[in-house]
Amino acid sequence: GDSVTQMEGPVTLSEEAFLTINCTYTATGYPSLFWYVQYPGEGLQLLLKATKADDKGSNKGFEATYRKETTSFHLEKGSVQVSDSAVYFCALWQAGTALIFGKGTTLSVSS
Amino acid sequence: EAGVTQFPSHSVIEKGQTVTLRCDPISGHDNLYWYRRVMGKEIKFLLHFVKESKQDESGMPNNRFLAERTGGTYSTLKVQPAELEDSGVYFCASSQDGGGTNEKLFFGSGTQLSVL
Repeated sequence: GDSVTQMEGPVTLSEEAFLTINCTYTATGYPSLFWYVQYPGEGLQLLLKATKADDKGSNKGFEATYRKETTSFHLEKGSVQVSDSAVYFCALWQAGTALIFGKGTTLSVSS
Repeated sequence: EAGVTQFPSHSVIEKGQTVTLRCDPISGHDNLYWYRRVMGKEIKFLLHFVKESKQDESGMPNNRFLAERTGGTYSTLKVQPAELEDSGVYFCASSQDGGGTNEKLFFGSGTQLSVL
């Protein structure tokens, strides 16, 4: 079945460092891909999405490009802030199914 | 506008006890979903309501779990009797249309369930 694999955490960075969180997927069709974020004490929020190959989703300085050839959707940010500390989930969706999530990656950013 | 509300935020119970989790979706949202994240693992789908009807309950782990949505408003998820492996964070989400790319899916902050 469809699945999502994302890098194990936690990821610990200093403020202004470059961030990459890897995500790869397995799917039979052409899924839409998402990154969700959960800040401490809050619910999951959609961070960005891409619905077809080569689309780039972006929001709040984060970016991810839908790469069909490598079945990947890596999350990047050029300069992280302390406020970016959170748990990040990669997810995919296909019509007629529920969202399928990865295991989540905890990011801790220190000043 | 109020978001998706879940309570309790935390629940600690002993094995064999019963626990009921509640979710209040955003007003007017017909679609309500339950998900669960067991420690260190994926967030997994449990079930999907459209109004008061169960649209998909393929993710419910076993018959110790019972979800209801009487009147198509709030939903409850009851675990009876609870087992150690039921520990985790239970998320509720709601949406207006339930289809498309799930762009308008709103999540609650979850209920942390600990079964001792």
